[in-house]
Order: sequence, then structure tokens, then C-alpha cells
Amino acid sequence: EDQVTQSPEALRLQEGESSSLNCSYTVSGLRGLFWYRQDPGKGPEFLFTLYSAGEEKEKERLKATLTKKESFLHITAPKPEDSATYLCAVMTTDSWGKLQFGAGTQVVVTP
Amino acid sequence: DAGVTQSPTHLIKTRGQHVTLRCSPISGHKSVSWYQQVLGQGPQFIFQYYEKEERGRGNFPDRFSARQFPNYSSELNVNALLLGDSALYLCASSSLVVAASYEQYFGPGTRLTVT
Repeated sequence: EDQVTQSPEALRLQEGESSSLNCSYTVSGLRGLFWYRQDPGKGPEFLFTLYSAGEEKEKERLKATLTKKESFLHITAPKPEDSATYLCAVMTTDSWGKLQFGAGTQVVVTP
Repeated sequence: DAGVTQSPTHLIKTRGQHVTLRCSPISGHKSVSWYQQVLGQGPQFIFQYYEKEERGRGNFPDRFSARQFPNYSSELNVNALLLGDSALYLCASSSLVVAASYEQYFGPGTRLTVT
């Protein structure tokens, strides 16, 4: 059975304190791995897609990496506006319209 | 360009009633997917429609149904509402025209409360 697990569940950071979020996955075949940011009560905002092991993507203070078993979202020198829930999702090779999400990591960055 | 739009924003219904949620995808996107998100969890896949045909269905009861119109907008219908149907319902659109372009862009969601 396909599974997506995110850790930690919650993360509290001081402004400027870099950290990493983990997304481990078990799937029959990976078409792509997706990272989203979600603010309370709003829809997820697309951040990155990673398609193959070794791939990396960057956007401002965020960097996503992918291996054959997991993905990391690195937050460098975070600011309070980076506070949000970060969601990881996988799309398998037998589906091109279904995202399977993890439960998310809630990040709080304090000044 | 306008993003994905959903209506209504909020909805309160009584158990046993029926509800219709609406979604307009990003202009040029032909695929729409629906998700249910319960508080504290990640979104769960309900349906995908592409070119007006159902292309995928998640593990939801037959009380849930959907359709896509010629202009690629979509409706999600839920019959015989239960308390457990209270959730944020999300619509996502994707292009699927460009090879390897599987990104899904989400709307703001419809918050459904069943009392």
C-alpha cells in the first residue's frame, strides 16, 4: 500500500534558525513528489515538483531534495512569514490526477 | 490571470441534506481534481475529471458524485450528508497538456459544516 509520512508533526523555530522537514514515501512507482504550503483556512499553495532521485529545486529560503525513499524541505534562515503547514504529496505512475498527501508539518517561526 | 475559483466559500447544511460545490479551473486547464481535507490531516483525493470524463476516483461512498462541463468547470455533489462530511473541500486544476506537467493548483476551498 502506498504511504506518505511527514516528520516532525510540528516545528517551532527562531527567526534565522535553519531546519529541515522530512517526507518519506513508499510507493509502487513514483511519477512525481510535490511540496505545498498551506496557511490556515486556505487552499494549498504549490511550491515544487521533483521527478527523479537527485533532483533539487530552490525558491527563496526553501530548497527541496529527493532520494529514492524520501524528500527534504530545507528552510534556510526562516522568517515569521514562513510560518505555515508544509504538505508533501506523491503521484504514482498508475495515476496522473491523484495526489496522495502526508499529514503535513506545522512550522511556526518566532521573531 | 485568475487562479482556481470555488463557490461558495462557506456552507452550513443539516444531516440528510444535499450539497453542490462549484469550481472553475485556471484558464486553459482541462483537468480538475477534488479533495476533502479534515482538520489536522492532509487532503484526501475524491475525484479527477479530464476532458469531461472521470479519470480517477478515491475511496469515497457513492453519495459523492461529480461532473465536468464543456467549459471545464466542475461540480461536486454530496447526497445524504453526514456529520463526518464536515470538511474543507478543495478543487485543483492542472494542465496535463505539456509533458511531465502534473502540477496541481488549488483553489481557496469550500468550508462545509454539517449540523
